Amino acid sequence: ETGVTQTPRHLVMGMTNKKSLKCEQHLGHNAMYWYKQSAKKPLELMFVYNFKEQTENNSVPSRFSPECPNSSHLFLHLHTLQPEDSALYLCASSQPGGADTQYFGPGTRLTVL
Amino acid sequence: SQQGEEDPQALSIQEGENATMNCSYKTSINNLQWYRQNSGRGLVHLILIRSNEREKHSGRLRVTLDTSKKSSSLLITASRAADTASYFCATPNSGGSNYKLTFGKGTLLTVNP
Repeated sequence: ETGVTQTPRHLVMGMTNKKSLKCEQHLGHNAMYWYKQSAKKPLELMFVYNFKEQTENNSVPSRFSPECPNSSHLFLHLHTLQPEDSALYLCASSQPGGADTQYFGPGTRLTVL
Repeated sequence: SQQGEEDPQALSIQEGENATMNCSYKTSINNLQWYRQNSGRGLVHLILIRSNEREKHSGRLRVTLDTSKKSSSLLITASRAADTASYFCATPNSGGSNYKLTFGKGTLLTVNP
């Protein structure tokens, strides 16, 4: 479980704030993912990065802005969020391709007031 | 559209009993994976079964795959209170330049001591 770390673990922000979520993986993987998990809904894939390049944007609103400076780090920059964006945000990594095992971080519990 | 769907949505058993969860999917796959999630935490990979395998074991876990029925089952034997968690099946599907995993809504398993 310590192969993928996420900070912060909990975040409360107002709708006008700007904040960032951070993910770091120590597994030598080259693919990283952001997922959103809301209550009573399936896990939603948001973004995919392969070798630092974004290869998937699953129609995510522009108030979520991902950044992948290298294969080990992934950020999710947040601004002007809505209360319905409150959820658990999960980061994962895998070997490129994504069809095999993904390794998840513990998540950031985000609450938007 | 949702690929994997777990059944039942919730399951409550006594410690020592076996728990069986099912997953149905819609399109052809080359593997199917099961993950576990403790409340408010990240997902942990349990087992991957490839399309040419019919059954796979890992400790107290047994997974079966029936590609003709497009279904899989996860059996946890001799359950423990620590097995209380949500269990998800995930299937890869190709989209554009990369494969990605699609998760079901999960089965919430409660093991009562």
